[in-house]
Amino acid sequence: QVHLVESGGGVVQPGRSLRLSCAASGFSFSGHRMHWLRQTPGKGMEWVAVILSDGSNKHYGDSVKGRFTISRDNSENMLYLQMNSLRGEDTAMYYCAKEVIYGEYYFDSWGQGTLVSVSS
Amino acid sequence: EVVLTQSPATLSLSPGDTATLSCRASQAVSNYLGWYQQKPGQAPRLLIYDTSKRAAGIPARFRGSGSGTDFTLTISSLEPEDFAVYFCQQRSSWYIFGQGTKLEIK
Repeated sequence: QVHLVESGGGVVQPGRSLRLSCAASGFSFSGHRMHWLRQTPGKGMEWVAVILSDGSNKHYGDSVKGRFTISRDNSENMLYLQMNSLRGEDTAMYYCAKEVIYGEYYFDSWGQGTLVSVSS
Repeated sequence: EVVLTQSPATLSLSPGDTATLSCRASQAVSNYLGWYQQKPGQAPRLLIYDTSKRAAGIPARFRGSGSGTDFTLTISSLEPEDFAVYFCQQRSSWYIFGQGTKLEIK
């Protein structure tokens, strides 16, 4: 059974940094692209970043490009999101998710989320 | 930039009713779309992929349809556990989501 557990969220001041972690189990972690997404009551669900299965390529949403870095450790089945220069609009519940490919790309497993609040 | 617009924002129905949820794309990028269910305090769950295919373990009362810019999720004979938020998802340049429809008990 796929299990994804996020951690590392909390309250942080604008301009500071935070690192989120996602522990994966129950599937072949190194064989799947992994994502970070975030959700707010106002904007809904927003895709943040993706990393290829071997970590060789990464892509980011426009709102976080240049500030956030996604990474993974396949030996430890861990996914990370380094968030720098945080802004108030980064306040959200952050989810890690496993990608599945059918005719298109979807997210078939999600963690429970970790809450990030950016406030002075 | 493609935008997914869901309607209605809130749908009030009773158990046993049929729910019809709409997701409209601002332009046609794919004939494939996914639907997710999210209950309060829980992670989203993939219900429907490729517009009409049910994910593993999803009951047959959930049916997806549509193409081009107009997609529909129909939930027949609503069960108490079906009352939740539903949102749609497509991939254009990257991954985009609708704002969600809250299905509440009338």
